[in-house]
Amino acid sequence: DAKTTQPTSMDCAEGRAANLPCNHSTISGNEYVYWYRQIHSQGPQYIIHGLKNNETNEMASLIITEDRKSSTLILPHATLRDTAVYYCIVRVATGETSGSRLTFGEGTQLTVNP
Amino acid sequence: SQTIHQWPATLVQPVGSPLSLECTVEGTSNPNLYWYRQAAGRGLQLLFYSVGIGQISSEVPQNLSASRPQDRQFILSSKKLLLSDSGFYLCAWRTPSIGRNNSPLHFGNGTRLTVT
Repeated sequence: DAKTTQPTSMDCAEGRAANLPCNHSTISGNEYVYWYRQIHSQGPQYIIHGLKNNETNEMASLIITEDRKSSTLILPHATLRDTAVYYCIVRVATGETSGSRLTFGEGTQLTVNP
Repeated sequence: SQTIHQWPATLVQPVGSPLSLECTVEGTSNPNLYWYRQAAGRGLQLLFYSVGIGQISSEVPQNLSASRPQDRQFILSSKKLLLSDSGFYLCAWRTPSIGRNNSPLHFGNGTRLTVT
């Protein structure tokens, strides 16, 4: 699986958009980009995933560059409850075991300030 | 909507005692179910997965076992806990598919197990 690089930490003002970048320059054509977040002492929470096109759901938007070497997770109106570690993961959609071996890197600690 | 319940949230058990952690999923049928252990450095280790009732696949040899007595119930067990079994245990589910599967994993809130 392709390696991802994320900033260690970011700050965002409450109510503003939080833009979290992720570099995955070695991504291959059949690898999806997934975003999860983890609030301290809780399980990882799925946010969004995509392959080529930009995606949007009720939580966030995912912008993938045309060359797919990087992506940005956008939380349009950050709240204090969005403070968490955000993980960008690149994963091939394959069979059961390999598709389930999630490797979480260090992620980005997002702190939303009042 | 689908929900996943995992309990207890925290557990302190002496070495040599048995263990039973339970996970249930609601709002979906025939989910794929998983048990993970999360290390201090945030890496996730897949312990067991199941694609159906009574079917268990083990990823790593260890002191633990898993069972799936019902479609949406997944249990992690041990007959005798070791100190090294301490950790953060996560249950997860995802929509099954034949062949390639890009559906995301959905995690429970985990159980913090401390073996003393």
